[in-house]
Amino acid sequence: DIVMTQSPDSLAVSLGERATINCKSSQSVLYSSNNKNYLAWYQQKPGQPPKLLIYWASTRQSGVPDRFSGSGSGTDFTLTISSLQAEDVAVYYCQQYDTLPLTFGGGTRVEIK
Amino acid sequence: QVQLVQSGAEVKKPGASVKVSCKASGYSFTGYYIHWVRQAPGQGLEWMGWVNPDSGDTNYAQKFQGRVTMARDTSSRTAYMELSRLRSDDTAVYYCARGFSLPSDHWGQGTLVTVSS
Repeated sequence: DIVMTQSPDSLAVSLGERATINCKSSQSVLYSSNNKNYLAWYQQKPGQPPKLLIYWASTRQSGVPDRFSGSGSGTDFTLTISSLQAEDVAVYYCQQYDTLPLTFGGGTRVEIK
Repeated sequence: QVQLVQSGAEVKKPGASVKVSCKASGYSFTGYYIHWVRQAPGQGLEWMGWVNPDSGDTNYAQKFQGRVTMARDTSSRTAYMELSRLRSDDTAVYYCARGFSLPSDHWGQGTLVTVSS
């Protein structure tokens, strides 16, 4: 199984400041035939299901604010919230969808400092 | 609009089985797999498997092989996940979510399954 490791476990950021979350996969999720990284990011707020933010490592899902961006390739990925808003308080998960079983990172809790 | 509506909360005793349903609307039911993902209290997300509503084919995470059955009823646009031989550590919120070549963009509201004697 591909192991997804997120860091940090939690972070506190001031409103308007940048939040950066890292995700590392135990093997590459870059599919060479189409040069796409099979890596997604989800946001989950308390009592709600996860919400898809980013797929193909850097493509924003429709309706997701452009302060959310994804980057990285191969085994190392980053989710950046450029200017943290109060409504961004949540747990964020990365997921690889390259290989079954699908696997998620352990999550990163983002709070307001 | 796309909706996945799950059945209500369940309380089961250890050793029993539970069956959770997921009714789809607003899109072509046979065009997307239905994935099942669970989340234990205060924990992360765990993928259990998928069912292909078109063919009925399934793929289960090895951890659940032999204990989980996923199925669908195309006439009612409903997917099902049944987990048997329940243990206390199966207590979790169970989600259905649609997906195919892309990750899951729509999720059900979740079904809390509590396993307690």
